[in-house]
Amino acid sequence: NAGVTQTPKFQVLKTGQSMTLQCAQDMNHEYMSWYRQDPGMGLRLIHYSVGAGITDQGEVPNGYNVSRSTTEDFPLRLLSAAPSQTSVYFCASSYSRTGGNSPLHFGNGTRLTVT
Amino acid sequence: AQTVTQSQPEMSVQEAETVTLSCTYDTSESDYYLFWYKQPPSRQMILVIRQEAYKQQNATENRFSVNFQKAAKSFSLKISDSQLGDAAMYFCAYRSPPYYGGATNKLIFGTGTLLAVQP
Repeated sequence: NAGVTQTPKFQVLKTGQSMTLQCAQDMNHEYMSWYRQDPGMGLRLIHYSVGAGITDQGEVPNGYNVSRSTTEDFPLRLLSAAPSQTSVYFCASSYSRTGGNSPLHFGNGTRLTVT
Repeated sequence: AQTVTQSQPEMSVQEAETVTLSCTYDTSESDYYLFWYKQPPSRQMILVIRQEAYKQQNATENRFSVNFQKAAKSFSLKISDSQLGDAAMYFCAYRSPPYYGGATNKLIFGTGTLLAVQP
């Protein structure tokens, strides 16, 4: 059971470059989301999706785009990378779109450095 | 807006001893969900324990238990018989009740407590 798979694990970008962080889950989860983790700030929600074709912004959406064409995949796109986007990124999914006590299942994270 | 505060950036405990990590939150909602996640050096986020606010009984998972004080808006994590493998960053997280719509699945995280376990 793969769970939530994120690629790549590490990435270095130059300012202005674009890239896509991939996320896939094989648990048929409705809800998928992207968080970023920065020292002293915990995890903050970037974007989320409650099903295929439906996405919405989280707490820190600027500079990021998402789409959800299938239930399984939820890629995160950086259109023009900035040093402020240096962070660790986590994809997380959950069975229930409405939450409750359904836990989030996390991928193993991507460490992104923008120089 | 809801906030989660972890006032202890770092804690240390001797192996086999007990340690308590603090978490407080601010909310005007009466029903919600609380979680503790563990993040070891591998960076993986692992669910430790969860609590529904409408349940008065404190949740327990093996050596991990919580002290949930709803009136005080406090949700501390107690780790008994600490082991070297417990060394990790611990995050407290809050989730709103489901009737507020699609955004309610999001977790609001505290800033974390880094726990060191001394042999």
